[in-house]
Amino acid sequence: GQQLNQSPQSMFIQEGEDVSMNCTSSSIFNTWLWYKQEPGEGPVLLIALYKAGELTSNGRLTAQFGITRKDSFLNISASIPSDVGIYFCAGPLLSGGSNYKLTFGKGTLLTVNP
Amino acid sequence: GAVVSQHPSRVICKSGTSVKIECRSLDFQATTMFWYRQFPKQSLMLMATSNEGSKATYEQGVEKDKFLINHASLTLSTLTVTSAHPEDSSFYICSAPGGTAPDEQYFGPGTRLTVT
Repeated sequence: GQQLNQSPQSMFIQEGEDVSMNCTSSSIFNTWLWYKQEPGEGPVLLIALYKAGELTSNGRLTAQFGITRKDSFLNISASIPSDVGIYFCAGPLLSGGSNYKLTFGKGTLLTVNP
Repeated sequence: GAVVSQHPSRVICKSGTSVKIECRSLDFQATTMFWYRQFPKQSLMLMATSNEGSKATYEQGVEKDKFLINHASLTLSTLTVTSAHPEDSSFYICSAPGGTAPDEQYFGPGTRLTVT
């Protein structure tokens, strides 16, 4: 099946630092989604990207959809302790009719030291 | 964004019993919902696609008789773990497409199942 390669697996940073993580795929996606999951909770959608080359921001978060449509990155600027969590990239694949199934990266575990 | 709820948030059951988990779309209708399973420190694994008014579609390797899915209304899907065993202990999460785009999925808060 489709796989998304997400890196890095984990990051340990100091509060105030910027963070960057990325996902690549061998296949083209028409949409890239970035989620954050906190312990014991479901993933929360952070940013959705729909157009190759698109750069979208959500507060201190910025994500870009690669020109080739095979990659995406997520940046977090000026990190704060509440940024702690696992960040997942996801790509939807049409699975029949108008239904889309999500393929997930393995996640990036972010730890922010105050 | 769209809101999805799950109930219960935590459940402990004895081996051999069955457990039902509910997934509700609170402010939108969902003809399709998805059920995932997540092991500690791992990514989400899609178990099945729940289709309103028809049979669920299961992913390869997922036992449909073990994990019964019912999607009786446009706002409710249920997952029943039948004859649960300790190896069924996991974090179960549902999702539904609820944004303006059909490929955006919104997740419930998850259900932690522990089978003793």
